[in-house]
Amino acid sequence: SQQGEEDPQALSIQEGENATMNCSYKTSINNLQWYRQNSGRGLVHLILIRSNEREKHSGRLRVTLDTSKKSSSLLITASRAADTASYFCASFTGTASKLTFGTGTRLQVTL
Amino acid sequence: NAGVTQTPKFQVLKTGQSMTLQCAQDMNHEYMSWYRQDPGMGLRLIHYSVGAGITDQGEVPNGYNVSRSTTEDFPLRLLSAAPSQTSVYFCASRAPRGYNEQFFGPGTRLTVL
Repeated sequence: SQQGEEDPQALSIQEGENATMNCSYKTSINNLQWYRQNSGRGLVHLILIRSNEREKHSGRLRVTLDTSKKSSSLLITASRAADTASYFCASFTGTASKLTFGTGTRLQVTL
Repeated sequence: NAGVTQTPKFQVLKTGQSMTLQCAQDMNHEYMSWYRQDPGMGLRLIHYSVGAGITDQGEVPNGYNVSRSTTEDFPLRLLSAAPSQTSVYFCASRAPRGYNEQFFGPGTRLTVL
């Protein structure tokens, strides 16, 4: 079964708006990671937040983590058409050898 | 560095045929994994390896075999292809120390008729 569930499954916004995606996970984590996938391509790592961190920033990305609720959110500010992609959260389950992914959020940014 | 490479990019098989999906990385990563991606299912872990000679099963291992004879290569074998194995397959690698980011290959789109 999937470790993470993203919400919403799909999101459509206009350029310049902010996009927020949420991820809920099932088991305790060491860290949580977010990846982006452009259509037809492999996944690219965006940002990693450790279990002892509550918020992290990288450029226009802001990630929060609430371990008590087993949830994380990814905020993309001032979105651009180039941000159109699918976004996945991922975490290690059981051991450091297995990184498992959520079902993803498809983001569409229109001009 | 080329990163993680996968061949072929596209493949069409008939039911019952066998084939090997190739994966190689040049980053000296000990951890390598194979995932399949189906619409609405996200990525599901098929098999993974924590070093040469060591492999283990993921969430959906049935119908697939792997081996890891070198650090660089991690081939995925389909023994007898079935239409249910129609999917996009991704190979990934990462450094073993800590819980690090993974680097993904470009994927192989497989269709089984």
